[in-house]
Amino acid sequence: GAGVSQSPSNKVTEKGKDVELRCDPISGHTALYWYRQSLGQGLEFLIYFQGNSAPDKSGLPSDRFSAERTGGSVSTLTIQRTQQEDSAVYLCASSLSVGRSGYEQYFGPGTRLTVT
Amino acid sequence: TQLLEQSPQFLSIQEGENLTVYCNSSSVFSSLQWYRQEPGEGPVLLVTVVTGGEVKKLKRLTFQFGDARKDSSLHITAAQPGDTGLYLCAGARGSARQLTFGSGTQLTVLP
Repeated sequence: GAGVSQSPSNKVTEKGKDVELRCDPISGHTALYWYRQSLGQGLEFLIYFQGNSAPDKSGLPSDRFSAERTGGSVSTLTIQRTQQEDSAVYLCASSLSVGRSGYEQYFGPGTRLTVT
Repeated sequence: TQLLEQSPQFLSIQEGENLTVYCNSSSVFSSLQWYRQEPGEGPVLLVTVVTGGEVKKLKRLTFQFGDARKDSSLHITAAQPGDTGLYLCAGARGSARQLTFGSGTQLTVLP
């Protein structure tokens, strides 16, 4: 079946502009995660959605970052007033919500964001 | 300070050699996953271990979760050039589902 898809694959934006990154999770996966992968810093957790529960936003680095998940499926990560330090690959993952399978996250190909 | 320390950071070996990658922490994890990532792609899940002392084998790859659930290892037998990639360990703590990732091991297998 189809995996996690993300768009766009690449985004170049000017400092100060807003950007929106989109994630389509695997059908039937109720949990959705956003991570950021920067050179030399590995993957860091940003935000986690589980069903209709309030999202866990504990990893968001500043209030310029926000995310929504509509209808329990597609998610959008928004970065306002982008800064050069926001340049990174933004990865989305999804998983089932229960049992051992709930730990197994399946990643999309990522969106490479470059802020000039 | 990295919650999960991976070693070595870089590893370059000849085809046919064996290797072990380590993932260590002072924290206990409820589960630990290993992923492989290639350039321009997202990480691909290799295995999940949840029980202390658990050993899983996937063809030439053997994964072990420490008895105390604080560390893990990945052993590759008779490495092949197709094994080249960035290997990442990642753990979930308590009931949380979000993963904490190690810094990764970049493996290069030379033909």
